[in-house]
Amino acid sequence: ETGVTQSPTHLIKTRGQQVTLRCSSQSGHNTVSWYQQALGQGPQFIFQYYREEENGRGNFPPRFSGLQFPNYSSELNVNALELDDSALYLCASSLGTSGGFTYEQYFGPGTRLTVT
Amino acid sequence: AQTVTQSQPEMSVQEAETVTLSCTYDTSENNYYLFWYKQPPSRQMILVIRQEAYKQQNATENRFSVNFQKAAKSFSLKISDSQLGDTAMYFCASQQLNSGGSNYKLTFGKGTLLTVNP
Repeated sequence: ETGVTQSPTHLIKTRGQQVTLRCSSQSGHNTVSWYQQALGQGPQFIFQYYREEENGRGNFPPRFSGLQFPNYSSELNVNALELDDSALYLCASSLGTSGGFTYEQYFGPGTRLTVT
Repeated sequence: AQTVTQSQPEMSVQEAETVTLSCTYDTSENNYYLFWYKQPPSRQMILVIRQEAYKQQNATENRFSVNFQKAAKSFSLKISDSQLGDTAMYFCASQQLNSGGSNYKLTFGKGTLLTVNP
């Protein structure tokens, strides 16, 4: 069974640029959630994708967007990067059902984004 | 809205001893899950233990157990026979089970840094 993987591991960008982070979900999972973890804080929910559709969004501006592909892998895109976007971005995969229930979320190792 | 509070930013314990990490939460829902996650320096968030709110029995996983007090909205983690590998950041999290949208998100506390000393 393959776990959740994320790429790249580290990334340095300049303010105003755009970035794409990638996540491969665990085998058998159809739901991907993205979280932002600022230094010294707990993760904050960005959004969730279930079977290629956005299934909920946290308190993040529209310049944070995402995609989920038919193989259930996912991308997180951030436009017009700001210094405060510097954080660890975590992806979590889980098994969701048509009734809306989501089982336990399993996390990837994260992507450390630094905006200068 | 759900909130999760961890009031102990840092704790330390001697190897082989027992330590308890505290967590309180607030939710208006009846159906929810509570979790403890461990995040070592490698950054990978690892699920330690899970508690369903409808279950009265406290969850246990080997050396890890919880004290779930639903009325008090308290969910503490007890680690017995602490090992050096337990050194990590520990996060308490809640997840609602209602239908629709972002209700399935995890809401995390700010974490407790646990150091196990030899």
